[in-house]
Amino acid sequence: ELKVEQNPLFLSMQEGKNYTIYCNYSTTSDRLYWYRQDPGKSLESLFVLLSNGAVKQEGRLMASLDTKARLSTLHITAAVHDLSATYFCAVTRDGNQFYFGTGTSLTVIP
Amino acid sequence: NAGVTQTPKFQVLKTGQSMTLQCAQDMNHNSMYWYRQDPGMGLRLIYYSASEGTTDKGEVPNGYNVSRLNKREFSLRLESAAPSQTSVYFCASISLAGDSYNEQFFGPGTRLTVL
Repeated sequence: ELKVEQNPLFLSMQEGKNYTIYCNYSTTSDRLYWYRQDPGKSLESLFVLLSNGAVKQEGRLMASLDTKARLSTLHITAAVHDLSATYFCAVTRDGNQFYFGTGTSLTVIP
Repeated sequence: NAGVTQTPKFQVLKTGQSMTLQCAQDMNHNSMYWYRQDPGMGLRLIYYSASEGTTDKGEVPNGYNVSRLNKREFSLRLESAAPSQTSVYFCASISLAGDSYNEQFFGPGTRLTVL
């Protein structure tokens, strides 16, 4: 069974600070996804990482993938309140079954 | 485009009742998924359909059945609801064939309570 672990589970950070969320997975995967979920809402796709060394950036968020270490990171630069949400990573096996991490609840404090 | 739509948005059932959750997508995606989300457990895959006419079990299929009615629609049925099925259910779709950017789109969710 493919397992996906995220840490930290909860993150409280001050505006303007940098931080990284980690996503580890247990077996070889086709691709890795990052999602954002606001309270009471659905999931919004942030990044799809397809190969080793892939790096994608959107605004203050940057995601990277190291397939050899089975590790992805989501780096937050100069956090702002609008980034407060829960962030999930997910991996696929055979391109079909998706396995999600338990999520990282991020709170950005003014 | 409406994206992925789900009905109903909310539902309360009594133990033993049955119901069907409906999902439709208008993006011509091949693959569709049903997930459940429980507090502290992320999303877990219930069933998926890689193409019209095919369905496969995910991580937590027990107590559920699905139908891929056509390319657009994928329904989830609870035959005899149990309190353990109280959850938020999300439908999602993705095109895994020929696209370089395989983004998965989610519906708004169905909040189900089983008493």
